[in-house]
Amino acid sequence: AQSVAQPEDQVNVAEGNPLTVKCTYSVSGNPYLFWYVQYPNRGLQFLLKYITGDNLVKGSYGFEAEFNKSQTSFHLKKPSALVSDSALYFCAVRVMDTGRRALTFGSGTRLQVQP
Amino acid sequence: EAGVAQSPRYKIIEKRQSVAFWCNPISGHATLYWYQQILGQGPKLLIQFQNNGVVDDSQLPKDRFSAERLKGVDSTLKIQPAKLEDSAVYLCASSSGPAQETQYFGPGTRLLVL
Repeated sequence: AQSVAQPEDQVNVAEGNPLTVKCTYSVSGNPYLFWYVQYPNRGLQFLLKYITGDNLVKGSYGFEAEFNKSQTSFHLKKPSALVSDSALYFCAVRVMDTGRRALTFGSGTRLQVQP
Repeated sequence: EAGVAQSPRYKIIEKRQSVAFWCNPISGHATLYWYQQILGQGPKLLIQFQNNGVVDDSQLPKDRFSAERLKGVDSTLKIQPAKLEDSAVYLCASSSGPAQETQYFGPGTRLLVL
């Protein structure tokens, strides 16, 4: 079975400061890892993914994430937060080499960026 | 490129009534997913289609939920009869097929069962 943990229900950060949203995962096999963002009354928007290769992945809107296999983590980061980054963020995982391509999501982390 | 379309956006029904949701995936996407997102939780897969065939419906409550993807394009998800615990956002997603491909989500249908 595969699972994702997002240990923080909410992260508060001041505008202009760096932000980190944490994610750890558990899978049997090699993972594909994803970050999505959800704004109120909207579906999930894709931010970035790790498939293979460089452990540092860059995505949309200045976000990046670092894959750490030994710590089974895939934390989302941004050097300088914007008020418009305030939203609900989901980490998701699926296992390579299986026909079942559905994603397993974490419970989400609400990011609040204060002006 | 048009995104994933879903309708209706909102639906309010009473328990024991039936309801149907519609999804139109991104053009050319062979794989289509229905997820259920209960308030305060991450989305959970209900069913996965590859073209018009079911790949995974292990988490679909088959006594009340059904889904189809005729002709391998549009899909409908039905609940009959609805229960209070079915109140959730129902998200449709599609991907082009290869395992590492990104899933793109529609805006969702918010269902409230009274």
